[in-house]
Amino acid sequence: KQEVTQIPAALSVPEGENLVLNCSFTDSAIYNLQWFRQDPGKGLTSLLLIQSSQREQTSGRLNASLDKSSGRSTLYIAASQPGDSATYLCAVRDGGATNKLIFGTGTLLAVQP
Amino acid sequence: GAVVSQHPSRVICKSGTSVKIECRSLDFQATTMFWYRQFPKQSLMLMATSNEGSKATYEQGVEKDKFLINHASLTLSTLTVTSAHPEDSSFYICSARDSSGRRSYNEQFFGPGTRLTVL
Repeated sequence: KQEVTQIPAALSVPEGENLVLNCSFTDSAIYNLQWFRQDPGKGLTSLLLIQSSQREQTSGRLNASLDKSSGRSTLYIAASQPGDSATYLCAVRDGGATNKLIFGTGTLLAVQP
Repeated sequence: GAVVSQHPSRVICKSGTSVKIECRSLDFQATTMFWYRQFPKQSLMLMATSNEGSKATYEQGVEKDKFLINHASLTLSTLTVTSAHPEDSSFYICSARDSSGRRSYNEQFFGPGTRLTVL
């Protein structure tokens, strides 16, 4: 059974710092991995999607990497801003017949001005 | 593009009543939609997969008679919480896949969520 874990559970950094969020998954048979942002009481905003054949994706100040064989992904945020404060969720699309999106536990990020 | 809406955004109801939540794909067709539930400070748990024109597929442990799902058109799925109880209070989020072929089939787009409070 696929399990997705995110470390740390919470992170507080001063504005301007670069930071890394970690995601690990137990079964490397995945179709893709997606990073989402969730603001309090709101739905999910998709940030980056990495197909299983890709190593990384970039969008603005965000860079996500994928090492499928080791079951790891990282989300790198450059020059963090207070507006980046939110919960970040990673999710893997399970391979095989299930094809389900399995979510991690999330990292609550606070960027202090 | 790829906008998913939910209605209502927030609902408060009395115990024993039924509540219907709508999920719409606004600018694409979706033969498959998904319903998730999220408890405070927890991650999203898939409840069921909604298939246009056929029965929904429920995850293990989810009561199909309590959480009725109807996917009557390519842009609308509804979740009805029947005989709601306080323990059904949660944040319900729907998601949809673009079945037109314009986007990756494996990418899901999420609605803004519905906060259900059962008194």
